[in-house]
Amino acid sequence: EAQVTQNPRYLITVTGKKLTVTCSQNMNHEYMSWYRQDPGLGLRQIYYSMNVEVTDKGDVPEGYKVSRKEKRNFPLILESPSPNQTSLYFCASRLGQGSGYTFGSGTRLTVV
Amino acid sequence: GEDVEQSLFLSVREGDSSVINCTYTDSSSTYLYWYKQEPGAGLQLLTYIFSNMDMKQDQRLTVLLNKKDKHLSLRIADTQTGDSAIYFCAETLLSAFKTIFGAGTRLFVKA
Repeated sequence: EAQVTQNPRYLITVTGKKLTVTCSQNMNHEYMSWYRQDPGLGLRQIYYSMNVEVTDKGDVPEGYKVSRKEKRNFPLILESPSPNQTSLYFCASRLGQGSGYTFGSGTRLTVV
Repeated sequence: GEDVEQSLFLSVREGDSSVINCTYTDSSSTYLYWYKQEPGAGLQLLTYIFSNMDMKQDQRLTVLLNKKDKHLSLRIADTQTGDSAIYFCAETLLSAFKTIFGAGTRLFVKA
């Protein structure tokens, strides 16, 4: 089944403890993105990648890192999480520039 | 600036038509999309339209595009309770290789 898989689905952590949210897609898509969803703000792009080893900042990149060493994987790294990073995170991938995204099921992160 | 705007809520009766509206700001956007998000799930692509089209119909869904006013709408015919969800409008800015989403419209369908 063609899909984007994120893990974990739920995560509660403490301020400052490094964490990684994994994302993998099995559709050979070139484009991958991370978004965060907050009430009333919709989805805001954190980082995106157009291909292996090519990443760029989205609208809200502060406090996040990403890597794209392989085409299928695009992990999101929070080196020192803070409470304002409590949010619902989505990984998404698409085949080309005009294609619609396929989204993962989301990761609900709470930083206390 | 880059901003996609939608009304936050819409309530309709089962069997009626729903119309969800969206305005976008970048006239260079070539692709416009509608996504649906059900509770606890990720976004699902419903339909899309190219900027050189005025209308696209897909079963119960009709998308209308008014490029002059930068207005996009999604009409759901014969709305069912299963259509209750959040609907997101999105545009792809080809100049910036990114997709911008609106805040989402929560559709309530009353039986």
